[in-house]
Amino acid sequence: SQQGEEDPQALSIQEGENATMNCSYKTSINNLQWYRQNSGRGLVHLILIRSNEREKHSGRLRVTLDTSKKSSSLLITASRAADTASYFCAASSGTYKYIFGTGTRLKVLA
Amino acid sequence: NAGVTQTPKFQVLKTGQSMTLQCAQDMNHNSMYWYRQDPGMGLRLIYYSASEGTTDKGEVPNGYNVSRLNKREFSLRLESAAPSQTSVYFCASSDLGTGYGYTFGSGTRLTVV
Repeated sequence: SQQGEEDPQALSIQEGENATMNCSYKTSINNLQWYRQNSGRGLVHLILIRSNEREKHSGRLRVTLDTSKKSSSLLITASRAADTASYFCAASSGTYKYIFGTGTRLKVLA
Repeated sequence: NAGVTQTPKFQVLKTGQSMTLQCAQDMNHNSMYWYRQDPGMGLRLIYYSASEGTTDKGEVPNGYNVSRLNKREFSLRLESAAPSQTSVYFCASSDLGTGYGYTFGSGTRLTVV
């Protein structure tokens, strides 16, 4: 079973708009990560947020974590065509293992 | 270039054949992982190695074996391939204490006919 479940499964927006993706998980976690995967490529690590953190920023990315609701969100501001990709959350309740969700497919239209 | 290298990139097997997927990392990471990715299923953990000399099962270990050959190399073996093992396989490494997450290889696309 998946630890992380992303919502929506697919998202299509215009360039310049913001994109928000959500992730829900089932058990208490230590960390949660977000990854990007371009078509036919491996996953690229975007950001890691620990269970005692509520928000992290990296460039145009903003990640929030609500442990009471067992959920996280990834916001991409001022989206670009190059942001078109699949985005995955991965949650860990231990030290070494992360369980990935099924991903959100983001399409940014120029 | 530093990173995770997987070989081969593509492979077609007949049902019942065996093969080994190779993975090597040059980042001095302690932990290494094998995932498979299927359409609509996301990534599922097959096996992982928290440190050299240790291996543990993930979510979907049946039909696979692994070997942590040394700190750099972690191989995945299919002893008797089945069509259900058609997938894209990703190797990853990490040193979670750094907070940088996993570094993934570019994947092996395996088809079992």
